[in-house]
Amino acid sequence: AQTVTQSQPEMSVQEAETVTLSCTYDTSENNYYLFWYKQPPSRQMILVIRQEAYKQQNATENRFSVNFQKAAKSFSLKISDSQLGDTAMYFCAFMKLNTDKLIFGTGTRLQVFP
Amino acid sequence: EPEVTQTPSHQVTQMGQEVILRCVPISNHLYFYWYRQILGQKVEFLVSFYNNEISEKSEIFDDQFSVERPDGSNFTLKIRSTKLEDSAMYFCASSEAGGTEAFFGQGTRLTVV
Repeated sequence: AQTVTQSQPEMSVQEAETVTLSCTYDTSENNYYLFWYKQPPSRQMILVIRQEAYKQQNATENRFSVNFQKAAKSFSLKISDSQLGDTAMYFCAFMKLNTDKLIFGTGTRLQVFP
Repeated sequence: EPEVTQTPSHQVTQMGQEVILRCVPISNHLYFYWYRQILGQKVEFLVSFYNNEISEKSEIFDDQFSVERPDGSNFTLKIRSTKLEDSAMYFCASSEAGGTEAFFGQGTRLTVV
């Protein structure tokens, strides 16, 4: 069975600084998808970034980028130039190919301070 | 921007009662999901639905749970006889295709008393 681990329950960062949220996962699959979702206090989960395991290049979306280490089964999220609006819970998630089920980690609560 | 909407935002029900949670997925999406998040715990997959049938379900999704797409727009989750441990935030999601971005609703907080 697949598992996703987020070892940092809480993180904080000052506005404009960079923060990295860690995520590791366990799977015997070779091809899969990885996601980072953001859940602000309004509760709706929003996709931040998506990575296909067969792609070696790390995904990037504006200030958000990932460090995908397939051999180490690690998928960290880097937020550059942090903004107050980045304050939220961040969930790492795994999805096997040919399935629709997202497997989530326990989340990291990120607080951005002015 | 299209979004997934869920009603009600908060539902309080007595143990043993039936409850129906409602969701309107994004109109051109074909895959629908329910997840739940017990307070302080991780988000857990309950069920996925495609082509008018369940495509996958978790061990949590037992006979007390059912899903339906009654009219081509709504997607409902029914819990037949609620238990205290069903208290959680329930999220509906939809996607255009499998493996693509799932768009989540804002959730329904279910409190069983």
